[in-house]
Amino acid sequence: DAKTTQPPSMDCAEGRAANLPCNHSTISGNEYVYWYRQIHSQGPQYIIHGLKNNETNEMASLIITEDRKSSTLILPHATLRDTAVYYCIVRAMDSSYKLIFGSGTRLLVRP
Amino acid sequence: NAGVMQNPRHLVRRRGQEARLRCSPMKGHSHVYWYRQLPEEGLKFMVYLQKENIIDESGMPKERFSAEFPKEGPSILRIQQVVRGDSAAYFCASSPEGLSYNEQFFGPGTRLTVL
Repeated sequence: DAKTTQPPSMDCAEGRAANLPCNHSTISGNEYVYWYRQIHSQGPQYIIHGLKNNETNEMASLIITEDRKSSTLILPHATLRDTAVYYCIVRAMDSSYKLIFGSGTRLLVRP
Repeated sequence: NAGVMQNPRHLVRRRGQEARLRCSPMKGHSHVYWYRQLPEEGLKFMVYLQKENIIDESGMPKERFSAEFPKEGPSILRIQQVVRGDSAAYFCASSPEGLSYNEQFFGPGTRLTVL
């Protein structure tokens, strides 16, 4: 599975959009981009995943660049409860069940 | 539909004792994964099981650790003769039958403290 690079920490104001970047320059054609988050002392929570098209669900939007070498997770209106560590994970479509967690980005949402 | 359940949530053991961690997957899920999170680190894959089968245990320490997922009952992660370095949060996740890239649903974890 390809390696990902994320900034160690970010912050944003409550109510504003939080844009979390992820680089995955060695991603292969059959690898998806997944995002999970871990709120303090809880188990990781699935957020969203995509292959090459932008994706949106009730939690977030995922923007993947055309060359697929990077992506951005967008929380459109961050709340204090979105404070968490966000993990970007690249995972093969049909051969990899392991989730390989890096260090993630620690997002702090400020009141 | 209840989520993934783990118990106990907190477990304290003295060095040399055994630790048994239990995981009940979501209803209808037959795939179970165990991950370990050491303090201030990311989660690390340990083992992947299906009912009565260990599919991949490449992340398990070679000694003292074992896992099972019997036909009936929860999945068990067993750590024999615990040492202080085993202190960590152990998370279980489950996914349904089907393609392996299905999202994994995580439990709340068991926090093991070895005195």
